[in-house]
Amino acid sequence: KAGVTQTPRYLIKTRGQQVTLSCSPISGHRSVSWYQQTPGQGLQFLFEYFSETQRNKGNFPGRFSGRQFSNSRSEMNVSTLELGDSALYLCASSLAVSSGGVAYEQYFGPGTRLTVT
Amino acid sequence: SQKIEQNSEALNIQEGKTATLTCNYTNYSPAYLQWYRQDPGRGPVFLLLIRENEKEKRKERLKVTFDTTLKQSLFHITASQPADSATYLCALPGPASGGSYIPTFGRGTSLIVHP
Repeated sequence: KAGVTQTPRYLIKTRGQQVTLSCSPISGHRSVSWYQQTPGQGLQFLFEYFSETQRNKGNFPGRFSGRQFSNSRSEMNVSTLELGDSALYLCASSLAVSSGGVAYEQYFGPGTRLTVT
Repeated sequence: SQKIEQNSEALNIQEGKTATLTCNYTNYSPAYLQWYRQDPGRGPVFLLLIRENEKEKRKERLKVTFDTTLKQSLFHITASQPADSATYLCALPGPASGGSYIPTFGRGTSLIVHP
């Protein structure tokens, strides 16, 4: 079974621009989560989508948004890029949303390395 | 607020020894705790999940303990090998709306196994 794929793997953008990152989950997985990882803050949750609906959202500004398509593929968008947005953006897929003591294993993709200059 | 602490200093050990990594948390009453491995430039890989009613869990050379009184989990790798060198992250399910969980990760501890 193919793993989680993310495109592009590397990206360089200029302050003020916007960027769209893509994630294809493992076949059959309906939940997709996005994370930002930086040396200073570690791995931080951005949002989670399930059945094309945002189910959870982390503490990030509205410049960060996402969506999920009917085939479970997901995109995240960052508008008006800032230098501090430079990070590794990770996507993770799971069968469903963890809740009520039921934990679904998350499978992470290789990430997109975004550099904002 | 909820907080997870992992030793920020790298753990250096000799091949064949047992590596022990610590994850402490505050202001949490998690239903479970997870451990992940992350290699440089790659996404984390799930290793083990332990529930609040389990004291210990094993998988091959890995062992995890979970002490809800101390609010601590220990992660052990026995007979360590250089290939075990990586950053190990612990993760807890923080509460979110509607009863679902927002995963919260520790900063991770780097393990270096010397041949």
